[in-house]
Amino acid sequence: QKEVEQDPGPLSVPEGAIVSLNCTYSNSAFQYFMWYRQYSRKGPELLMYTYSSGNKEDGRFTAQVDKSSKYISLFIRDSQPSDSATYLCAMDAGGTSYGKLTFGQGTILTVHP
Amino acid sequence: GAGVSQSPSNKVTEKGKDVELRCDPISGHTALYWYRQSLGQGLEFLIYFQGNSAPDKSGLPSDRFSAERTGGSVSTLTIQRTQQEDSAVYLCASSLLGDREQYFGPGTRLTVT
Repeated sequence: QKEVEQDPGPLSVPEGAIVSLNCTYSNSAFQYFMWYRQYSRKGPELLMYTYSSGNKEDGRFTAQVDKSSKYISLFIRDSQPSDSATYLCAMDAGGTSYGKLTFGQGTILTVHP
Repeated sequence: GAGVSQSPSNKVTEKGKDVELRCDPISGHTALYWYRQSLGQGLEFLIYFQGNSAPDKSGLPSDRFSAERTGGSVSTLTIQRTQQEDSAVYLCASSLLGDREQYFGPGTRLTVT
C-alpha cells in the first residue's frame, strides 16, 4: 500500500463548478502538506502549502488538512478551463526527512467551457 | 528571474548506455532535489542535496544511479547501463535553505529503447 493515496480520476466538470480533490495517507509523521498543479509536459508548481491541521485559503483555492483522519483536501471554487491540469498532493515529515516529498498519484482534472 | 532549467529536455538512448542529466537550480537556492515521474509509480524522490553534500540518497533505485553537485549549483544525475524501466521523466527542484517551497524544472524525458 502506498503511503499517499490519491484518486487518479479523471475528473471532468463544467466551468464554474466547485472541485474537490482529496488524498489520504498512512504515515502519521507527515507534518507539511502541499498541493501542486502540473500542466502537460511541465514541472509541478506549488499551489498551496499548509502545516499540520486546519484550513488555508488563497483566492479560489482552499486547502484542508485533517491529521486525525489522515485526510487532506483541495477545493477549487468557480473552476475555469485554465484549471485543467493534474493536481498532485505531496507531504513532508520534516526532521531527517526534510525536503523529501512523498507524492500522491495525481488527479487529472478537466474543466470544460 | 530564471527558473530551474534542465537539459536535455528529451533523451533517447539504447539499453546499456550511460546517460547524464543536468539541472541548473535557481540562483541562490542551496537545496536541490531530484525526482522521477513515471506512469506506474507517479512522482518519486531520488536524492536531495544541501550545498554539495547529499544527506539523503535513500530514493536512488539502484547503484546504477548516482548524482553529484558542484559549486553548490549545477547538479548531474548519471544513470549507468540504462534499462528500459529507467524510462521516465526526471525532474529537478530547488529551494532556499529552510524553505519548503520547491521550484521544479520542466524535466528531462528519458526513453530507453
